[in-house]
Amino acid sequence: GDSVTQMEGPVTLSEEAFLTINCTYTATGYPSLFWYVQYPGEGLQLLLKATKADDKGSNKGFEATYRKETTSFHLEKGSVQVSDSAVYFCALGGTGTASKLTFGTGTRLQVTL
Amino acid sequence: NAGVTQTPKFQVLKTGQSMTLQCAQDMNHNSMYWYRQDPGMGLRLIYYSASEGTTDKGEVPNGYNVSRLNKREFSLRLESAAPSQTSVYFCASSPVQGEVVNEKLFFGSGTQLSVL
Repeated sequence: GDSVTQMEGPVTLSEEAFLTINCTYTATGYPSLFWYVQYPGEGLQLLLKATKADDKGSNKGFEATYRKETTSFHLEKGSVQVSDSAVYFCALGGTGTASKLTFGTGTRLQVTL
Repeated sequence: NAGVTQTPKFQVLKTGQSMTLQCAQDMNHNSMYWYRQDPGMGLRLIYYSASEGTTDKGEVPNGYNVSRLNKREFSLRLESAAPSQTSVYFCASSPVQGEVVNEKLFFGSGTQLSVL
């Protein structure tokens, strides 16, 4: 079945450091790929998405490229801020119901001054 | 904007007790969902309601019941709580009816439930 594997956290970085959170997936067909973010005390919210191979999703300085050849969707940001401290979830899904939305385990990011 | 509101935020139960987790959204969304999140695992779908008056099982429905009370509210009930149900529960909603565009999920802030 479909699955998503994320790197274990927590990830601790200094402000302005480069961020990479790895995400790989296993799926049949050509799923859409997503990154959700959960800030402290809040619900998950969509950060970015990519719907086909080689698409790059971007938002708030974060980017992720849909790599079909490596089945990956790594999240990157060139210069993190303290306000980026949150839990990041990689997810995959098709165009069907949300029952087919598969989440990774989440990676906690802590950014310090 | 309140968005998706879940109550309570924290709850401790004894094995065998029952309780209902409440969820309400004020965005006039058609579809609503209940997920659970466990350490080392992703979010797993418990039940969902694609539209008012309908409910369907997700990946892990055993031990739970749901009620779509009206378009705004979707409750999750544990009839006889077990330690295996210790988890963080998330409610979500989506504006799309039927075939759901997955990215349009709006989540509540979660309920942390401990069953002793």
